[in-house]
Amino acid sequence: GENVEQHPSTLSVQEGDSAVIKCTYSDSASNYFPWYKQELGKGPQLIIDIRSNVGEKKDQRIAVTLNKTAKHFSLHITETQPEDSAVYFCAATLNSGYSTLTFGKGTMLLVSP
Amino acid sequence: EAGVAQSPRYKIIEKRQSVAFWCNPISGHATLYWYQQILGQGPKLLIQFQNNGVVDDSQLPKDRFSAERLKGVDSTLKIQPAKLEDSAVYLCASSLDPGDSYGYTFGSGTRLTVV
Repeated sequence: GENVEQHPSTLSVQEGDSAVIKCTYSDSASNYFPWYKQELGKGPQLIIDIRSNVGEKKDQRIAVTLNKTAKHFSLHITETQPEDSAVYFCAATLNSGYSTLTFGKGTMLLVSP
Repeated sequence: EAGVAQSPRYKIIEKRQSVAFWCNPISGHATLYWYQQILGQGPKLLIQFQNNGVVDDSQLPKDRFSAERLKGVDSTLKIQPAKLEDSAVYLCASSLDPGDSYGYTFGSGTRLTVV
């Protein structure tokens, strides 16, 4: 089955800095890679996703890049703000049939004012 | 659109006791998932339903965990008897169709503490 590795486990940045979280996946058949943000006491919320037919996707301060050859994908957050502080999870799946998401272990991002 | 509803939000039980969690998915979502999230880890799938049938329960510890989704809507997850290592957040998610990972929506979860 799919295995997703995520690092770093914690990331501390100053407000305004950029943050980068990296994930690798094992199953070359996976074709959908979402990123979730989980705030304390809440369930994970989708913040951005990328499909295997594109290499990069951007939404305001958030961007995701995908390298299918190397089987890794990354989340980039620019101009970080204190409200970006949360746990971020990457996931991977073959988006068809009854396949389900396999998650990384998460990255706790702390943005200091 | 109402989100995925879960209850209770918190539960503390002693080991060997029983506990049940309830989930109401987004209206019209045929696929329902239960995930276990241990502190410091990512969510791990326990069971997936398509309407009221089980699609994948390969990671469900069937000696103590059970789940049902009567009438293809609400679902309950039960643990009997609970062990200390069952302490975790239990997340319910739903999607329109199987394989519809784009439309995954999670509930806020039930935090279980076994003492």
